[in-house]
Amino acid sequence: DAKTTQPTSMDCAEGRAANLPCNHSTISGNEYVYWYRQIHSQGPQYIIHGLKNNETNEMASLIITEDRKSSTLILPHATLRDTAVYYCIVSKGGSNYKLTFGKGTLLTVNP
Amino acid sequence: DGGITQSPKYLFRKEGQNVTLSCEQNLNHDAMYWYRQDPGQGLRLIYYSQIVNDFQKGDIAEGYSVSREKKESFPLTVTSAQKNPTAFYLCASTRGLAGIETQYFGPGTRLLVL
Repeated sequence: DAKTTQPTSMDCAEGRAANLPCNHSTISGNEYVYWYRQIHSQGPQYIIHGLKNNETNEMASLIITEDRKSSTLILPHATLRDTAVYYCIVSKGGSNYKLTFGKGTLLTVNP
Repeated sequence: DGGITQSPKYLFRKEGQNVTLSCEQNLNHDAMYWYRQDPGQGLRLIYYSQIVNDFQKGDIAEGYSVSREKKESFPLTVTSAQKNPTAFYLCASTRGLAGIETQYFGPGTRLLVL
């Protein structure tokens, strides 16, 4: 599976949009981009995933560049409860479906 | 409510002792996973199981063992061969291994060596 690169940490003001970048320059055509988050001392929580097109759900939006070498997770109106480590993961799935969680980005939402 | 339960929340192990971490799911998921997380690090895959009575080693299986006798249960044993077992252990499940399945995680068990 392709490797991802994320900033170690980011800050965001409460109520503002949080934009979390991820580089995955070696992604292959059949690999999906997943985002999970982990609030301190809890299990990770799925946020969103996509292949080529931009995706939106009740939690966030995922913007994938046309060349698929990078993506951005957008939390439109960040709250204090969104403070967490956010993981960007690339995986092709299939019979050997595994997710490789790197160190992620610690997003701190400030009041 | 459907979900994954892990017990206990905290577990203490003495040197040379085997301990077993429980993971149960009522989501009717086929696949289950065990991960280890060290402070400030990402998750590393220990073992995973696609179906009852079958499981595969992950990236760091040495010193661990698992069983999958029932679909809803996937216990992890940390053996005395695991020299550095202190970590946060997370269990997860997916509906299957079709490819783009969401992984659902339990609340985790924190293992400490006395």
